[in-house]
Amino acid sequence: QSALTQPPSASGSPGQSVTISCTGTSSDVGGYEYVSWYQQHPGKAPKLMIYEVSKRPSGVPDRFSGSKSGNTASLTVSGLQAEDEADYYCSSYAGSNNLVVFGGGTKLTVL
Amino acid sequence: EVQLVESGGGLVQPGGSLRLSCTASGFIFTDHAMHWVRQAPGKGLEYVSGINSNGGRTYYATSVKGRFTISRDNSKNTLYLQMGSLRAEDMAVYYCARDGGSYCFDHWGQGTLVTVSS
Repeated sequence: QSALTQPPSASGSPGQSVTISCTGTSSDVGGYEYVSWYQQHPGKAPKLMIYEVSKRPSGVPDRFSGSKSGNTASLTVSGLQAEDEADYYCSSYAGSNNLVVFGGGTKLTVL
Repeated sequence: EVQLVESGGGLVQPGGSLRLSCTASGFIFTDHAMHWVRQAPGKGLEYVSGINSNGGRTYYATSVKGRFTISRDNSKNTLYLQMGSLRAEDMAVYYCARDGGSYCFDHWGQGTLVTVSS
């Protein structure tokens, strides 16, 4: 059982928007502004898409956005494209003992 | 270009040991903490261990504490993970990842597969 809870699947048609949630506790997601999101295509290494809740690394399209409310963080993908089909994982700082915890992952399907 | 190249994975018997290496290039190694993250076949990501930039502070997931040891050789730009008392549940692809600050991992290696089986 993962420390952070994500829906196992999400889907949307090309051009639509989809939001993936990531629920933790006040000891991780709710306690810090250190939520990250990663995209992973099959057989590939994860890629950082969002850090510090809502910041995008250089090169990540602005179709990807992040937010947080209380103990739940969210990743929104707008204007869905075929190449967005992948697994998405959230992570959060969880204090100096656990350091980082991940969600179980969400498989995004572009219909 | 940032590159992280893992090596050392392979087949090991339950109870055995293995040392993974991650050679870094394309950035100032001593400027960054480094981490290991693993992914069991068909499963999600799991944080394993981390080490700060000078090697003076280490972090371990509860599942590996006391069995795994993380270290780094800054003169060789290399990160290590010494794994002992290996169990079936340790079988996974092990990724080396660079700390991007803010407890995020901004660059990842291609991963190395550890198989634990008799």
